Amino acid sequence: AQTVTQSQPEMSVQEAETVTLSCTYDTSENNYYLFWYKQPPSRQMILVIRQEAYKQQNATENRFSVNFQKAAKSFSLKISDSQLGDTAMYFCAFMKPNPTSGTYKYIFGTGTRLKVLA
Amino acid sequence: DAGITQSPRHKVTETGTPVTLRCHQTENHRYMYWYRQDPGHGLRLIHYSYGVKDTDKGEVSDGYSVSRSKTEDFLLTLESATSSQTSVYFCAISESNSYEQYFGPGTRLTVT
Repeated sequence: AQTVTQSQPEMSVQEAETVTLSCTYDTSENNYYLFWYKQPPSRQMILVIRQEAYKQQNATENRFSVNFQKAAKSFSLKISDSQLGDTAMYFCAFMKPNPTSGTYKYIFGTGTRLKVLA
Repeated sequence: DAGITQSPRHKVTETGTPVTLRCHQTENHRYMYWYRQDPGHGLRLIHYSYGVKDTDKGEVSDGYSVSRSKTEDFLLTLESATSSQTSVYFCAISESNSYEQYFGPGTRLTVT
């Protein structure tokens, strides 16, 4: 069974600095998708970035980028120029599509609470 | 923002009573999911649906049932609520062409 591990329950970073959140996963599959979600105090879950396992190029979305190491099964999130609005819970998620059964199940990590300090 | 609503947004109920949570989408997405979020556990999948009347269990399905009679609605029922089911419940939708999940605003359920 696949598992997702986020080993940093809490982190803090100074405004304008860079921070990296770690995520590791365990799977024997070759084709899968990885995601980072942000949950601010409003509780709304927001997709930050996604990565297809077959793509070697790391995904980037503005100040957010990932370091995807497929062999090491690592998927870290880097936030550059941190802003106060980045304060949130961040969840890493894994998804393995099953076209045969038509099912797409997601597995989430336990989250990292990030606080950006002024 | 994806059109997903959950109702009710907050509910307090007593142990042993039945509770139904509703998820409604206007995106016509095929896949719908129910998760619960608890401190230290992240999001855990309760049940999911891959089409009208097509549902399957997730990792924490005991004590929960679901129904999906039309594309836009996915109901989660606690037949007899227990204190261990106090949680925040999220509905999510996705489509197979992008695999991205979009979440509803959540329902905070307290079982006393």
